[in-house]
Amino acid sequence: DQQVKQNSPSLSVQEGRISILNCDYTNSMFDYFLWYKKYPAEGPTFLISISSIKDKNEDGRFTVFLNKSAKHLSLHIVPSQPGDSAVYFCAGLDGNMLTFGGGTRLMVKP
Amino acid sequence: EAGVAQSPRYKIIEKRQSVAFWCNPISGHATLYWYQQILGQGPKLLIQFQNNGVVDDSQLPKDRFSAERLKGVDSTLKIQPAKLEDSAVYLCASSSPGTEPYEQYFGPGTRLTVT
Repeated sequence: DQQVKQNSPSLSVQEGRISILNCDYTNSMFDYFLWYKKYPAEGPTFLISISSIKDKNEDGRFTVFLNKSAKHLSLHIVPSQPGDSAVYFCAGLDGNMLTFGGGTRLMVKP
Repeated sequence: EAGVAQSPRYKIIEKRQSVAFWCNPISGHATLYWYQQILGQGPKLLIQFQNNGVVDDSQLPKDRFSAERLKGVDSTLKIQPAKLEDSAVYLCASSSPGTEPYEQYFGPGTRLTVT
C-alpha cells in the first residue's frame, strides 16, 4: 500500500519557466508534508515543508501547496534554474516516521 | 559542521554472503535512521535509534537484517545472508533533539549490489 505517490516519474521544463511537481497521499494522519531534493551520488536534502493545518508555504523560489480534501500537494519552483535539475521526493510525517513517494526527476533545460 | 559519513560507498557481494555498513552521524545528533532505497523508489525507513535505543524497527526484516548503535554515536547495519532483492542504496540520516523530526540530514549512502 503506497501511502505517498508521485505519479510523474519525470518532468522537463525550460529555464525560467515554472516547474510543478505533484504528490498524492492516502494517510490522513500525516502531520507534515515535506519535499526533499536529491542529486546523483548524494543523500536527499530537505527543501521545504508544510504543516497539515496550512494550505501554502513559501520559501524563495519554492512554494508548496496542500489540498487536504483532495489529499494532494504540489511543489512550485519559479523561476526554474538548471541547478534545480534533480530528483524530488515528497514525504509525509506521521509521528516520527517519514514515508516517501517514489520521486520525480526534474530536468531544467537552459 | 561535518555531515553524515557512510562507508563503504559501494559494495558488490554474492547472494548468501554477509555485508555491513557503517554510519557516523552529525556530532550531537541523538536520533539516527537507516533507510533502504530501491532503484526507482523513495527511501523506506528500516530502523530508528534514539541515542542507543531502538525507537522503531517495524520495517526491518529481522530474519536477515540487524543494526546496532552501541555507544549512541556510530551505527552499523548488517545483512546476513544477502538476497538479490537487497540490492539498493542504504541511507543513514540523523537529526538533533529539539528540532523537527523531519529535519533529517542524510549521508551519501552505500550502494549495494547483490549478484
